[in-house]
Amino acid sequence: AQKITQTQPGMFVQKKEAVTLDCTYDTSDPSYGLFWYKQPSSGEMIFLIYQGSYDQQNATEGRYSLNFQKARKSANLVISASQLGDSAMYFCAIKGYQKVTFGTGTKLQVIP
Amino acid sequence: GAGVSQSPRYKVAKRGQDVALRCDPISGHVSLFWYQQALGQGPEFLTYFQNEAQLDKSGLPSDRFFAERPEGSVSTLKIQRTQQEDSAVYLCASSLYPDREETQYFGPGTRLLVL
Repeated sequence: AQKITQTQPGMFVQKKEAVTLDCTYDTSDPSYGLFWYKQPSSGEMIFLIYQGSYDQQNATEGRYSLNFQKARKSANLVISASQLGDSAMYFCAIKGYQKVTFGTGTKLQVIP
Repeated sequence: GAGVSQSPRYKVAKRGQDVALRCDPISGHVSLFWYQQALGQGPEFLTYFQNEAQLDKSGLPSDRFFAERPEGSVSTLKIQRTQQEDSAVYLCASSLYPDREETQYFGPGTRLLVL
């Protein structure tokens, strides 16, 4: 069984500031992958960043970085230098063997 | 190359009607997933295919839901005798391999409204 918890239903951030979106997980799989997706109001799911459970280093993709703390079972997304276009829903997901479980999401709003 | 496509993009059905939702994955992608996303919620797993084999259908909410991928490429999700609670966005995603680190790429979704 696997579970994702996103405790922040909504977040505000000032343009150009950094923001951290929280994600904790639980799984019985020894090997798994953690993903973050962005879903703008248009509805498409856009892949942002991936972290493997055995990766030693935190993943980074441009302005996105993943703060992976395996012992705490957390995989927080950090967005640096926020832009107005970052306003969207953000979903954390865990992928075990065959199955993917998503969290309930965090709605991020970037303030001009 | 082309991404994942889904059709129709919008579907309005009367309660009790049968509907069929189509997913065209990225060419060559082995894995295909279907999800149901209710308004304001995260996607909920429905079923998983590896090529033509349906390896996991544990998320299908009832026996009114049926999915197939007969030739290992295009997939169809069929809902029989639709109910109002079936109203949601149905998302399809594909990945190149089944491995845990393989990224899923999502289609635009089919928004189903059951009246």
